Amino acid sequence: QKEVEQNSGPLSVPEGAIASLNCTYSDRGSQSFFWYRQYSGKSPELIMSIYSNGDKEDGRFTAQLNKASQYVSLLIRDSQPSDSATYLCAQRGSNYKLTFGKGTLLTVNP
Amino acid sequence: DVKVTQSSRYLVKRTGEKVFLECVQDMDHENMFWYRQDPGLGLRLIYFSYDVKMKEKGDIPEGYSVSREKKERFSLILESASTNQTSMYLCASSLEMAGAGETQYFGPGTRLLVL
Repeated sequence: QKEVEQNSGPLSVPEGAIASLNCTYSDRGSQSFFWYRQYSGKSPELIMSIYSNGDKEDGRFTAQLNKASQYVSLLIRDSQPSDSATYLCAQRGSNYKLTFGKGTLLTVNP
Repeated sequence: DVKVTQSSRYLVKRTGEKVFLECVQDMDHENMFWYRQDPGLGLRLIYFSYDVKMKEKGDIPEGYSVSREKKERFSLILESASTNQTSMYLCASSLEMAGAGETQYFGPGTRLLVL
């Protein structure tokens, strides 16, 4: 059973802080990794995708991938109240299916 | 911009009814997916399709079927709805199954209540 585990949360950070979201996966054949953001009552929207070991930065967001340790993380710098949402980690395995984690609820307090 | 639309935002059905959930994408994507999302269980793949008239079972296909007669449209069918199929149903599409175009774009979701 290919699984994706996320730190269960909820995670609460003050405005302006760094929020760190973590995810581990079991499928060593995983090729691609994604972070989606989902606001309450809305559908998931893609924030970042990452394919290679190391860091990938996009504005305030940095995704980090370590295939040897089978983890992927998302850092949100200068967190804003508008970042409050559930963050979903997903991996695309060798069977081409996406497997999602159960999500981490992030609250950014003004 | 990719647009994925779903026929209903909210739906209430009775046990035993046949239910159709429709999904349409306007970006000529090859692949379409149906997920359900439940509290504590996350997003789970029901079925996907990589071409017209082609379908593959996901992780939880029992009690569901799908139809893809046209490239832009992917339907999820509950042959005989049951209360345990009460859920949020999300449709997604992607250009490719792997590579630069593999990002999945989601529709707004259909919240189904089966009484």
